[in-house]
Formats: sequence, structure tokens, C-alpha cells
Amino acid sequence: QVKLQQWGAGLLKPSETLSLTCAVYGGSFSGYYWSWIRQPPGKGLEWIGEINHSGNTNYNPSLKSRVTISVDTSKIQFSLKLSSVTAADTAVYYCARGSVRGRNYYYMDVWGKGTTVTVSS
Amino acid sequence: DIQMTQSPSSLSASVGDRVTITCRASQSISSYLNWYQQKPGKAPKLLIYVASSLQSGVPSRFSGSGSGTDYTLTISSLQPEDFATYYCQQSYSTPRTFGQGTKVEIK
Repeated sequence: QVKLQQWGAGLLKPSETLSLTCAVYGGSFSGYYWSWIRQPPGKGLEWIGEINHSGNTNYNPSLKSRVTISVDTSKIQFSLKLSSVTAADTAVYYCARGSVRGRNYYYMDVWGKGTTVTVSS
Repeated sequence: DIQMTQSPSSLSASVGDRVTITCRASQSISSYLNWYQQKPGKAPKLLIYVASSLQSGVPSRFSGSGSGTDYTLTISSLQPEDFATYYCQQSYSTPRTFGQGTKVEIK
């Protein structure tokens, strides 16, 4: 059974860079998309972006200028960096596995537990 | 970006009730539609993918339907563990946008 374990700094100051990592246990790394999603306090879900095992990325245009998602296939991990954070970036950040079936139907079927990130001076 | 609009934003229901949540896309998404359940303090859980396919392990009281721009999640007989927030998400194109959520509360 595939599990995702995520970690990273939980408290940042404005203008710093958010850095989170997600490790994949118990499953294949190839053939999937590896995604980051966030949820501000009391609000809904926002897709940040994704990467596949080959390093091909898709980003949310609203965050694209500040986001980098990378993959380390040797460690079976993928990472998120978000630069120049502000209070608006305060959220729970989730990593997730994106599976694809048939005619490129995509869905996120395995999720990490989430990491709370607070941006405050 | 494709906008996803869920209705209602919240609802109150009793155990045993039939519950229906609607999701409308700003353009046709050809069944590229997933449903997730989220309980407080927990990660979302996949319920339905490709509009109507039940994820493994999800009870059969959950079902999905729809096509084009309009989709529905139905809980045939609401159980105590179903009180949660439900999100639709389109995977027709990136960014992979979510609806704003529907909170199902106890009546």
C-alpha cells in the first residue's frame, strides 16, 4: 500500500522560501504525477502543481512565478519550493499522487497527512 | 482556468437521508470529474473518479453521475461517518481546479 510522508518547516517569516518534501513508500514512482495542494485556514483546496518521474511539470498560473517542484528519483521523493512567501501563503500543504487511467483521466488517490505552514513576522 | 461551482455550499441532513450535491463546470469537461471527501483535520479522500467510477474501498451508497458541464454526487442513505465536506475537482485541463466545497452537517 502506497504511503506519502511529508515534512518541512512550519513557521516562516515574510519573504522567506517555503520548502517541503514528500517521500513515497511502498509503490512505484514512475507512471504517476506527484502533486502539491494547499488549503488556507477555513477555506477550500487549491492545486499548486505537479511533476512526473521524468521531471515534467505543470504549475498553477496564479503561483507559477514563485513555485518550483522537483523530483529525486534516487530517494523516491519530490519537493515543493515557494519563494517570497506572505501571510496569504499560510495554509495546510498536502502532497498527493496523481493517477492516470484510460483517456488521460486523472485523479489524486493517495494523499499525505498535510503540513501546516504559517507565515508570520 | 475552468471554474467549478458546487451547490449547495452547505446542507443539513439526517441519518438515512438521500443527499445530492451538484458541481457545475464553466465549460464542458467530458467526465474528467472527481469527488473527494474531507473530514476536519484530515487529508481529502478520493470517492469517485471519471464522474461515476467508485474508488476501491468506498461504500456503494456513494455514486456519481453527469456529463458535459453538470455533475452530481449522491449519498443514498447518509451515515454518521459521512458528515464531512465534499469537493469536486476537474482534471480536463491544468490548473486542476476544485469546487468551493459542500459541508454536510447533522440536522
